[in-house]
Amino acid sequence: IAGITQAPTSQILAAGRRMTLRCTQDMRHNAMYWYRQDLGLGLRLIHYSNTAGTTGKGEVPDGYSVSRANTDDFPLTLASAVPSQTSVYFCASSDSAGSGANVLTFGAGSRLTVL
Amino acid sequence: GQNIDQPTEMTATEGAIVQINCTYQTSGFNGLFWYQQHAGEAPTFLSYNVLDGLEEKGRFSSFLSRSKGYSYLLLKELQMKDSASYLCAVRDNDYKLSFGAGTTVTVRA
Repeated sequence: IAGITQAPTSQILAAGRRMTLRCTQDMRHNAMYWYRQDLGLGLRLIHYSNTAGTTGKGEVPDGYSVSRANTDDFPLTLASAVPSQTSVYFCASSDSAGSGANVLTFGAGSRLTVL
Repeated sequence: GQNIDQPTEMTATEGAIVQINCTYQTSGFNGLFWYQQHAGEAPTFLSYNVLDGLEEKGRFSSFLSRSKGYSYLLLKELQMKDSASYLCAVRDNDYKLSFGAGTTVTVRA
């Protein structure tokens, strides 16, 4: 089934540990995004990539890093997790970052708890 | 940046109509989107407006007024499965999408 696969689905992590959330899409979309969703705050953009080989910072990038080595994969890394990074993380993609509707397709989410 | 406001919660009866308002203040505007998100699931696309006016898609319609920084999502003939959060999102001139906090709609029998 075409779409976005995120892993893990859920993870409990000790503070200070390194964690990578994986995201893979098979739609050959150019643009990919990482959002976090917190109660009362909605979805906030962490990092994005308009095309393979390029990345950019979103609204809340601190404490996170991304890479885009190829079209399909866009991993999100927490170098040293802190409790405030407890959240649900959604990866998304769109055909391009340019004009037109460019609807975002979201993965199922990764629920991360940092203790 | 973007400032996007929408009500936190709304309740309506099955078969009724509900209108979810969204106001925004932006540093740039390149389209407004509505997404639906059921509890524990990913958001899914509902509608897109870039020009002023009404876009109709079955039981759902979305309206945009760029001069007023205002949009609404109209849900008609409500069904129990419409109970969900509805997210208003604005795309800026860099084509990045910013979301409001969402409106949780509860449909009661």
